[in-house]
Amino acid sequence: QSVLTQPPSASETPGQRVTISCSGSSSNIGVNTVNWYQQLPGTAPTLLIYDNNRRPSGVPDRFSGSKSGTSASLAISGLQSEDEADYYCAGWDDSLNGPVFGGGTKLTVL
Amino acid sequence: QVQLQESGPGLVKPSQTLSLTCTVSGGSINSGSYFWNWVRQPAGKGLEWIGRIYTSGSANYNPSLKSRVTISLDTSKNQFSLKLSSVTAADTAVYYCARGQGGWVNYYHFYYMHVWGKGTTVTVSS
Repeated sequence: QSVLTQPPSASETPGQRVTISCSGSSSNIGVNTVNWYQQLPGTAPTLLIYDNNRRPSGVPDRFSGSKSGTSASLAISGLQSEDEADYYCAGWDDSLNGPVFGGGTKLTVL
Repeated sequence: QVQLQESGPGLVKPSQTLSLTCTVSGGSINSGSYFWNWVRQPAGKGLEWIGRIYTSGSANYNPSLKSRVTISLDTSKNQFSLKLSSVTAADTAVYYCARGQGGWVNYYHFYYMHVWGKGTTVTVSS
């Protein structure tokens, strides 16, 4: 049981926009920033979004993040086949005194 | 740029201690205000943070694993290590090392892991 809650799966067709949600609580998302990680099949996770909505160098602006209250969202526009991956939200949890992850959302590009 | 590489036994017997090392290349483990982390992922499952160590040597751990985990730093070798004792089959996973950055901005605590190793698979079995 993950501390942050994500839908296990999402799907959309190429070129469309998809949103992945992440629900937390007042000890994590509600009071701290949110990050998103992308994990392509068979590879290590990579940082996709940090500090709620900032993109590391090299991440296309098709990826965007937002946060409101104790929830966060990752949006991917202009969906491409190479976006097919697992996506994890994460953030610091004050109660656990460490970073926590969502259970991950498997994105399928139809 | 900085790269991380995990190494260690791929097979550990139940009740024994799992030991992994992460070698940092392309930069000094001592430079900058970074945290050095271990994260694991059982096959087909999500990510679990194990713990981290700061460049000062101060460490903190996931409460669910704290009694069994030790993370240490070897600055002379530019490495940091993970020891997990009394392992069971539930500790079978891909283990990743990662560099993290964190702090406070406008009363929010930020923490993210922006450089990851490729991971190493550890199986606990007799």
